[in-house]
Amino acid sequence: AQSVTQLDSQVPVFEEAPVELRCNYSSSVSVYLFWYVQYPNQGLQLLLKYLSGSTLVKGINGFEAEFNKSQTSFHLRKPSVHISDTAEYFCAVSEGGGSEKLVFGKGTKLTVNP
Amino acid sequence: GAVVSQHPSWVICKSGTSVKIECRSLDFQATTMFWYRQFPKQSLMLMATSNEGSKATYEQGVEKDKFLINHASLTLSTLTVTSAHPEDSSFYICSASPPLFGRPSYEQYFGPGTRLTVT
Repeated sequence: AQSVTQLDSQVPVFEEAPVELRCNYSSSVSVYLFWYVQYPNQGLQLLLKYLSGSTLVKGINGFEAEFNKSQTSFHLRKPSVHISDTAEYFCAVSEGGGSEKLVFGKGTKLTVNP
Repeated sequence: GAVVSQHPSWVICKSGTSVKIECRSLDFQATTMFWYRQFPKQSLMLMATSNEGSKATYEQGVEKDKFLINHASLTLSTLTVTSAHPEDSSFYICSASPPLFGRPSYEQYFGPGTRLTVT
């Protein structure tokens, strides 16, 4: 069975600082990986996804993530955060192969302070 | 981008009654929709996969007779919580994935969620 571990439940940073949100997964098969963001009182929004190809994936709002198969990680990064990036971030995994079922991590609350 | 709506956004009901939640894909057709449950400070847990024109596929541990899912059309799926009890209080979220040239796009769009409180 697949599982996702987000190592940090909360990450506070100052505005314009870099940030990395960590995500590790476990799976016995090849996986597809996703990062979603949930702003207060809103639905989840896809930030980026890795299906195949380049291991460095660029998403919306200046975020990027790198797939590392040997370390089974898919960490999310942004070089300079804004106050508006304050939100809950979820890492998710799918086994693909036609199945779009997602298994989510517990989420990381990113708080950007002025 | 694709939009998924849910109705109602919040509902309060008495124990023993049933509640229906609607999930609609507004600008695309979805043969498959997903229903999740999210507890406070926790992740989303997949409850079931809703398939248009056929029975839903429930995840292990989810009572199919309690959480009735009907995917009546390519743009509408409903979740009915039957004989609701306080432990069913939660945040219910649906999602849908528009196909890409007839194949899965692996890009799910989520509704804003429905807060259910059972008193």
